[in-house]
Amino acid sequence: GAVVSQHPSWVICKSGTSVKIECRSLDFQATTMFWYRQFPKQSLMLMATSNEGSKATYEQGVEKDKFLINHASLTLSTLTVTSAHPEDSSFYICSAEGEKYNEQFFGPGTRLTVL
Amino acid sequence: SQQGEEDPQALSIQEGENATMNCSYKTSINNLQWYRQNSGRGLVHLILIRSNEREKHSGRLRVTLDTSKKSSSLLITASRAADTASYFCARTKAAGNKLTFGGGTRVLVKP
Repeated sequence: GAVVSQHPSWVICKSGTSVKIECRSLDFQATTMFWYRQFPKQSLMLMATSNEGSKATYEQGVEKDKFLINHASLTLSTLTVTSAHPEDSSFYICSAEGEKYNEQFFGPGTRLTVL
Repeated sequence: SQQGEEDPQALSIQEGENATMNCSYKTSINNLQWYRQNSGRGLVHLILIRSNEREKHSGRLRVTLDTSKKSSSLLITASRAADTASYFCARTKAAGNKLTFGGGTRVLVKP
């Protein structure tokens, strides 16, 4: 199967700062990337869907000005958590889908802790 | 909630026993997938079952789908300690590619 990476794998930041998380498809071109958030012992909740070269589509209740998503190339999408607060602490997971495959491939996740 | 329901929420079994978990949903689906997640890690895709399929097997895994009851089940036979993980079902709606995840089942296989 295809490989999706995320960087960093974990990050600790101070309240009020911004954090950028990268999601890369390593061996295929990802026409669509998805960003999920997972709180402890809970399921994954889709935050937004991004297509290369166009604006992301956010799910209801997700603030687009707070969670900035950029999908500038077919192998890279970034999620920036702006002015992070402790309640933004969570596990952020991306997935990627391409024309070559008929399924989403998930990254290993990024653990964000906001102090 | 848009999420489907999974039951049980948690399951504790002895190595060698079978583990069964169920997933129910409310809307029509295009396909349904099962994933495994080890603690603090990403998701591993297990099986995809299409809406016109009723059963699929992969190694020790067996998935069933009953679209009339809007439910699916995942059976792990002859469980191993390494099967300890959370298991999630996720469905895509007709003509869509967004995944909607169920609440998950945490499985503990005791050696």
